[in-house]
Amino acid sequence: GAVVSQHPSWVICKSGTSVKIECRSLDFQATTMFWYRQFPKQSLMLMATSNEGSKATYEQGVEKDKFLINHASLTLSTLTVTSAHPEDSSFYICSALSGRGSADTQYFGPGTRLTVL
Amino acid sequence: GESVGLHLPTLSVQEGDNSIINCAYSNSASDYFIWYKQESGKGPQFIIDIRSNMDKRQGQRVTVLLNKTVKHLSLQIAATQPGDSAVYFCAAALGGGSYIPTFGRGTSLIVHP
Repeated sequence: GAVVSQHPSWVICKSGTSVKIECRSLDFQATTMFWYRQFPKQSLMLMATSNEGSKATYEQGVEKDKFLINHASLTLSTLTVTSAHPEDSSFYICSALSGRGSADTQYFGPGTRLTVL
Repeated sequence: GESVGLHLPTLSVQEGDNSIINCAYSNSASDYFIWYKQESGKGPQFIIDIRSNMDKRQGQRVTVLLNKTVKHLSLQIAATQPGDSAVYFCAAALGGGSYIPTFGRGTSLIVHP
């Protein structure tokens, strides 16, 4: 099956610093990747859709200057949380689409737990 | 837009019983539906999917039923095992080449040995 990895799996940082999270599709190419945020005991909230070679599409209410997304290749997308604050602490999950058009299947990474002190 | 909800936040079953997790969606244009399993501290894991041209699809110990008339789908797990304990999410996606799924709230399945 298709495998998606994330790095790091967890990170603790001080308020005001920036944190970069990597999402990789290990055995397939993904023109589209998604970034989600999940709070405890809640569903996944789509933050943005990342397309290789183009700017990410952000969902309403998500600050694009706060959450920088770069989809530099068909196997790598990065999410940078800039000037992180405690309210940014969350579980960030990426996913990648495998397939074409209506046959796409979405595979998720294991998630990254961000804690901002 | 799409809103996807689940009828019950928690479902408790005994090991060996069959489990049924329900999900409702709002957009009749949704044509692709997916069930995911999420264990604590991990990312969602694909279980099974179904397209709107089908009303039933079976996998290993799991069956997804789709009722487009009432915009409802369910996940049936046969002979539920303790390892099935997790949060289950349904997702609905619109067709037309633009795949952006909307996730439901999640149902926590608790399997008692």
